[in-house]
Amino acid sequence: LAKTTQPISMDSYEGQEVNITCSHNNIATNDYITWYQQFPSQGPRFIIQGYKTKVTNEVASLFIPADRKSSTLSLPRVSLSDTAVYYCLVGDLNSGGYQKVTFGTGTKLQVIP
Amino acid sequence: EPEVTQTPSHQVTQMGQEVILRCVPISNHLYFYWYRQILGQKVEFLVSFYNNEISEKSEIFDDQFSVERPDGSNFTLKIRSTKLEDSAMYFCASRRTETGNTIYFGEGSWLTVV
Repeated sequence: LAKTTQPISMDSYEGQEVNITCSHNNIATNDYITWYQQFPSQGPRFIIQGYKTKVTNEVASLFIPADRKSSTLSLPRVSLSDTAVYYCLVGDLNSGGYQKVTFGTGTKLQVIP
Repeated sequence: EPEVTQTPSHQVTQMGQEVILRCVPISNHLYFYWYRQILGQKVEFLVSFYNNEISEKSEIFDDQFSVERPDGSNFTLKIRSTKLEDSAMYFCASRRTETGNTIYFGEGSWLTVV
């Protein structure tokens, strides 16, 4: 499983766009990039997953450059309820690479009124 | 939307007692997992389970831990003789392998060992 590096924490004002970048320099060809959100005392919740270029869903966008050595989770117009820890995971899903998925420390996003 | 459900949501037990945490994974999922999160720390992998057997486990998952899928719907984690350091939130998760490889987590069971 590729090692990931994220900022430990970020602050943002309500209504702003937030971009959280994850570095994964040793990403393998078959690896996918997945982001999870976790609120205190709750299970991690899937946000978005991608392989390359850009993926968008109703919650967020995921930008992946051509070399795939990093990815950026973009949250449009955050609200107070987006205050959470965000985890970036990288792994080869099809070969069971998520059998031993390890979470890093994640990025603690604090949204300020 | 289908979800992973866990019971109990919170359990307090005395040190040395056996605890069973229960999970109902999403019905068409094939891989099952247990993770734990000690308060204020990161989510840690414990074990994965596929085709009625353990497929991988971490160093945390020692002989006092066991998992079982007794009836095709439930997935349980047993801690034989709890220790104070077993106090944590335990998350069950599941995923489907052929398509939609996302891992879905339950809301967790908070275990307090006193």
